[in-house]
Amino acid sequence: QVQLQQSGPGLVKPSQTLSLTCAISGDSVSSNSAAWNWIRQSPSRGLEWLGRTYYRSKWYNDYAVSVKSRITINPDTSKNQFSLQLNSVTPEDTAVYYCARGMVTIVNWGQGTLVTVSS
Amino acid sequence: NFMLTQPHSVSESPGKTVTISCTRSSGSIASNYVQWYQQRPGSSPTTVIYEDNQRPSGVPDRFSGSIDSSSNSASLTISGLKTEDEADYYCQSYDSSNQVFGGGTKLTVL
Repeated sequence: QVQLQQSGPGLVKPSQTLSLTCAISGDSVSSNSAAWNWIRQSPSRGLEWLGRTYYRSKWYNDYAVSVKSRITINPDTSKNQFSLQLNSVTPEDTAVYYCARGMVTIVNWGQGTLVTVSS
Repeated sequence: NFMLTQPHSVSESPGKTVTISCTRSSGSIASNYVQWYQQRPGSSPTTVIYEDNQRPSGVPDRFSGSIDSSSNSASLTISGLKTEDEADYYCQSYDSSNQVFGGGTKLTVL
């Protein structure tokens, strides 16, 4: 059974970088059939897909247009995890952030991390 | 990019049937699979329908999904409503490099 365990700070100052990590158990970040996503949820934006990383003989990344200039998602094969970095955050980036597994269907979700952007 | 539009809320009585729609703004609804997720307060979403009309194991057959090319929409139908079905429901689809979620529908079972 695949489980995703998120970690990272719940408070980030405006203009700084939001960083979260998702540890994977029960699958490999290098799987040739999975994709590893970051999704956020806020009352104003609902569920918003941010991006994903996946391995198909080489590594690929896809990012949402809304955050493309500010986002990086990286796999870490040595620790079997993947990470999210979102730069230059504003209060509008306040949301619950989820890591998730799935290419077409989101099959597994992390527990969610509330990240508040505030000074 | 396309958008998926859902009604903000629906309500129905226990034992009845309710249908939640999800309309795709551009491109054919049939060109990419549609998924449906249920989210109860304080919890992460869970899949109730995948690939338009498939139910994961453990999801009751009271839940069903369909697509209608004429209206370019997908639908989630829940029959024999139970109070435990009260939750938010989200549709989701994709194109070559994006995942798109609908805005969510709050189902009240009263």
